[in-house]
Amino acid sequence: AQSVAQPEDQVNVAEGNPLTVKCTYSVSGNPYLFWYVQYPNRGLQFLLKYITGDNLVKGSYGFEAEFNKSQTSFHLKKPSALVSDSALYFCAVRDTAAGNKLTFGGGTRVLVKP
Amino acid sequence: DTAVSQTPKYLVTQMGNDKSIKCEQNLGHDTMYWYKQDSKKFLKIMFSYNNKELIINETVPNRFSPKSPDKAHLNLHINSLELGDSAVYFCASSPGTGGFTDTQYFGPGTRLTVL
Repeated sequence: AQSVAQPEDQVNVAEGNPLTVKCTYSVSGNPYLFWYVQYPNRGLQFLLKYITGDNLVKGSYGFEAEFNKSQTSFHLKKPSALVSDSALYFCAVRDTAAGNKLTFGGGTRVLVKP
Repeated sequence: DTAVSQTPKYLVTQMGNDKSIKCEQNLGHDTMYWYKQDSKKFLKIMFSYNNKELIINETVPNRFSPKSPDKAHLNLHINSLELGDSAVYFCASSPGTGGFTDTQYFGPGTRLTVL
C-alpha cells in the first residue's frame, strides 16, 4: 500500500533563511508526488508536482522540490522563507500500482519568524 | 470567480441529525472528491466521482452518502450524525478522469461540529 511520511510535525525558520520540509514515500509502482499548502481556515492550495523528467520541480511562490528515487524522498524547499509562508504543508502521492487514490502525509506546520 | 465552492462554511448540529454539505466547481472538471480532515489535520479521501459515477469509495460508514446530480456538483449527505463526525470536510475537483497526473483543486472546507 502507498504511504507518505512527513517526519517533522513543525519546522521553525527565521525569515530569509532557507526552508526545507521533508517528505518520504512508499509505493509499489511509479510515484506521482504532490505538495499542497493550507493557510489557516483555508482549503489546500496546489504548489507543485513531480510526474516524470527533471528531478527538480519548480512550483508556486518560489517553492521547489527534489525527487530522489533512491532515497524515496520529495523534500520541499524554498531558498529564502517569508513570514507569509507560515502554513501547514502536505505531501501527497499517487501510486500507479494502487489506483487513482491520492494519499496525504500527516502535514508539517511551518512557522517563519521575523 | 470561486473555482470550488462549498456551503455551508460552518455547520453546528446535534447528534442524530441529518445534514448535507454542498459542493460546486466551475472549472469544467470531470472528477470530484470528498475528503475528511480530522482534528489532528490528517486528511483522508472519502469518495470520488467521475462524470456522476462513483469511482472511489473508501471505508466510510454508510451513513455518508455522496450525490452527484451533474458533473459540476457533488453533495455529501450524512445521516444520524455522531460526535466522531466532527471534522473539516473538503471538496476537490480535477480534470480528466482523476488520473495519476491530475492536480486536485480544493474548496475552502466545511467545518462540521456535532454536539
